Amino acid sequence: RKEVEQDPGPFNVPEGATVAFNCTYSNSASQSFFWYRQDCRKEPKLLMSVYSSGNEDGRFTAQLNRASQYISLLIRDSKLSDSATYLCVVIAPGYSTLTFGKGTMLLVSP
Amino acid sequence: GAVVSQHPSRVICKSGTSVKIECRSLDFQATTMFWYRQFPKQSLMLMATSNEGSKATYEQGVEKDKFLINHASLTLSTLTVTSAHPEDSSFYICSATSSAQETQYFGPGTRLLVL
Repeated sequence: RKEVEQDPGPFNVPEGATVAFNCTYSNSASQSFFWYRQDCRKEPKLLMSVYSSGNEDGRFTAQLNRASQYISLLIRDSKLSDSATYLCVVIAPGYSTLTFGKGTMLLVSP
Repeated sequence: GAVVSQHPSRVICKSGTSVKIECRSLDFQATTMFWYRQFPKQSLMLMATSNEGSKATYEQGVEKDKFLINHASLTLSTLTVTSAHPEDSSFYICSATSSAQETQYFGPGTRLLVL
C-alpha cells in the first residue's frame, strides 16, 4: 500500500456544485495532515491544515478519520477558480518531512 | 503567510554543465529547508532535507554528489545540479520551515531544462 493515496481524477463538476476528495494514508502514527492546492506549473500552496476535530474555512471543510486512516476535503459552491490539483500531505511522527499524494485534479466548468 | 523565493525561475542549460538554484526565506528564519523535484503529472518527491549549518540528509536514490545542497544561513539554501543531463530536467521546488511551525512554505519553483 502506498504511503499516501489519492484518486487522480479529474473530477469534472459544474459551478456551484459540491465536491469531495478523500486521501488515505498508511502510517497509523502520522501526526499532521494538510491539503495543498497546486495550479498548473506552479508550486503547491497551503490550502488548510486538517485537525482531528475537523475544520472549516469558508467553502472548504477538511476532516480526519484516524480509525479509517483517511482525510477528506469538501468544497461547496465550486467556483471556476477552484480548478486545480489538490494535494494531500501527511507528516509522519518525529520529523518534519512531508509525504505528498499524487493529487486530485478538479475541473470546474461554467 | 511566510514568503519563500527561488532563483532562477527558469533555466536552460547544456548537458554537462552545473546549475545552482537558490532558495531564500524572506521574512522568517528557516531552520530546515527541503528540496523537492516534480516531474510532469507526478507528485512532489522529496530529494533532501537540510538543516542550517549541517549536512543535508538525502532520500534514497538521490545522489548527494550530483545534487549538492548547502544551507549556510537561516535564510538561504542552495541546490547545485552538477553535470546536468536531460533526465535531470524537472521542476525543482524548495520549501522552508522554522522551528516554531510544522507548515512548510514553498518557493515558486525552478524549471530546469537540460538540452
